[in-house]
Amino acid sequence: KNQVEQSPQSLIILEGKNCTLQCNYTVSPFSNLRWYKQDTGRGPVSLTIMTFSENTKSNGRYTATLDADTKQSSLHITASQLSDSASYICVVIFTGGGNKLTFGTGTQLKVEL
Amino acid sequence: DTEVTQTPKHLVMGMTNKKSLKCEQHMGHRAMYWYKQKAKKPPELMFVYSYEKLSINESVPSRFSPECPNSSLLNLHLHALQPEDSALYLCASSQSGGLAEYNEQFFGPGTRLTVL
Repeated sequence: KNQVEQSPQSLIILEGKNCTLQCNYTVSPFSNLRWYKQDTGRGPVSLTIMTFSENTKSNGRYTATLDADTKQSSLHITASQLSDSASYICVVIFTGGGNKLTFGTGTQLKVEL
Repeated sequence: DTEVTQTPKHLVMGMTNKKSLKCEQHMGHRAMYWYKQKAKKPPELMFVYSYEKLSINESVPSRFSPECPNSSLLNLHLHALQPEDSALYLCASSQSGGLAEYNEQFFGPGTRLTVL
């Protein structure tokens, strides 16, 4: 079983609408959690990085939340744009991970007119 | 300059060819990474170089051979690859080899490799 599960697997929304992507993880002990955006055929780009003591972090229209007790994170996108169409990947770093990022399964978002 | 560059963007090679992927960064980062990513899957770590020394090899087949000539450059030498090695190969760099919240990894655009 993957240690970082994301939902939904894919999502289609209309331009201008908001959406929320979910990330549940089982890895521990936990160090920090990152959300990346990856356009098709491109490398991932970091959106937010949160430590275990942070509850929320914003980057423009992107707001990430973290509940370290329930091991859940979410990424909220407001006023979506066509350029938001991409794969969104949740990455968890745990201190016993031997210097590795643990990638989630990703959510494929498509924003339509 | 906060960019990681990779060349070539696309590469098609036969199973008997020898080719190399190149990665470069000028952010003064001392850790560099190679990842392999198949379609609709998350990236998989292959190698990590920290201060120009190989620190992690994720049991990658010997047909992939990494090289770090200096702190700004990272190469991946390819020889006798299989069709299943076709994937997007991503390079990344970070300030150091640790995974603290301040040690963000910056990814390059990737090289799309097709093995015939």
